[in-house]
Amino acid sequence: EDQVTQSPEALRLQEGESSSLNCSYTVSGLRGLFWYRQDPGKGPEFLFTLYSAGEEKEKERLKATLTKKESFLHITAPKPEDSATYLCAVQASDASGGSYIPTFGRGTSLIVHP
Amino acid sequence: NAGVTQTPKFQVLKTGQSMTLQCAQDMNHEYMSWYRQDPGMGLRLIHYSVGAGITDQGEVPNGYNVSRSTTEDFPLRLLSAAPSQTSVYFCASRSSSGANVLTFGAGSRLTVL
Repeated sequence: EDQVTQSPEALRLQEGESSSLNCSYTVSGLRGLFWYRQDPGKGPEFLFTLYSAGEEKEKERLKATLTKKESFLHITAPKPEDSATYLCAVQASDASGGSYIPTFGRGTSLIVHP
Repeated sequence: NAGVTQTPKFQVLKTGQSMTLQCAQDMNHEYMSWYRQDPGMGLRLIHYSVGAGITDQGEVPNGYNVSRSTTEDFPLRLLSAAPSQTSVYFCASRSSSGANVLTFGAGSRLTVL
């Protein structure tokens, strides 16, 4: 069974204080690892997809990295507008029927104080 | 391009009442799904569909019904609401080809008294 564990559950940072969020996973053949951002009262929005160990992707102050067991979302010099819940999801490559249902972690709630 | 549209945004029901949460997408996505999100539990899959006329159960299907008569619409039906179904519900869709990225609706907050 695919499993996704995110840590920490909650993180409070001061503006400009860099940190990382962790997503550890077990899956029988990774098809893709996804990061989403969710603002309060809204649906998740896509950030990144990573496909293989060693891959990195960046967007503004965010950088996502991937190893064979975990992914990190690095936040450099965060701003208050980066406050959100960040969700990680994995998709296995051996799903029957091609449905490729993603398994989501429980998320990390990030608050950045000015 | 509206993406994924969910209605209603808020709903209060009494135990035993029935209702339908509507979901529509205008991106011609084959795959559509319903999740519920509860504090500390993350997103849990209720039902999904890989195309018109095809539906299947997810992780927490009990108490919910779905149908997929068109590519655009994927309604979620609660036949007899229970307080345990108080939650925020999200509809999500994606293309069957390409990057497999989900596009989510804005959510429907349901309270069952």
